[in-house]
Amino acid sequence: ELKVEQNPLFLSMQEGKNYTIYCNYSTTSDRLYWYRQDPGKSLESLFVLLSNGAVKQEGRLMASLDTKARLSTLHITAAVHDLSATYFCAVDSPNTGNQFYFGTGTSLTVIP
Amino acid sequence: EPEVTQTPSHQVTQMGQEVILRCVPISNHLYFYWYRQILGQKVEFLVSFYNNEISEKSEIFDDQFSVERPDGSNFTLKIRSTKLEDSAMYFCASSRDRVMGQPQHFGDGTRLSIL
Repeated sequence: ELKVEQNPLFLSMQEGKNYTIYCNYSTTSDRLYWYRQDPGKSLESLFVLLSNGAVKQEGRLMASLDTKARLSTLHITAAVHDLSATYFCAVDSPNTGNQFYFGTGTSLTVIP
Repeated sequence: EPEVTQTPSHQVTQMGQEVILRCVPISNHLYFYWYRQILGQKVEFLVSFYNNEISEKSEIFDDQFSVERPDGSNFTLKIRSTKLEDSAMYFCASSRDRVMGQPQHFGDGTRLSIL
């Protein structure tokens, strides 16, 4: 089974600081997705990364993909309280059909 | 922006009863999915559906589960005889296709509570 690990699981950071969330996965894939989930809510698509070296940015969030290392990062710049949420990465692979395998999630709390 | 809609938002059911969760995928999407998320845990794949048949299913999706597209818009998940451990948030998702990594769009979920 394709395994997807995220770290850290919990992250508490002050407003204005920078931090990176890591997502490692266990099989060959060049498709990586980042989602945000607010408490009790659905998953909102943030980024779709489709090739080695792909980098995408939206506001204070930037995601990148290194398929050789099987690693994606979600970098937070100058965090604000509105970014508090749980962030999930997900992977799919031609070898495993079109199901998404989700990471364990990173619960981010930004403290004023 | 088009959305995936799910009903009900919360379902409370006695153990052993049947439950049907309903979803209306985005209208021009061809692939449909069910996932579940036990409280505080990660999202787990249950089943994917394309062209009126199951394309993949996980080990969780045993004989107690079934999916159906009864008409052109609804996509349902049925649990025949619910167990306590079926209590979770169930998410429906859809995607336009599976070429070049289309994101899956998720509904707001149905919280299923088994008593």
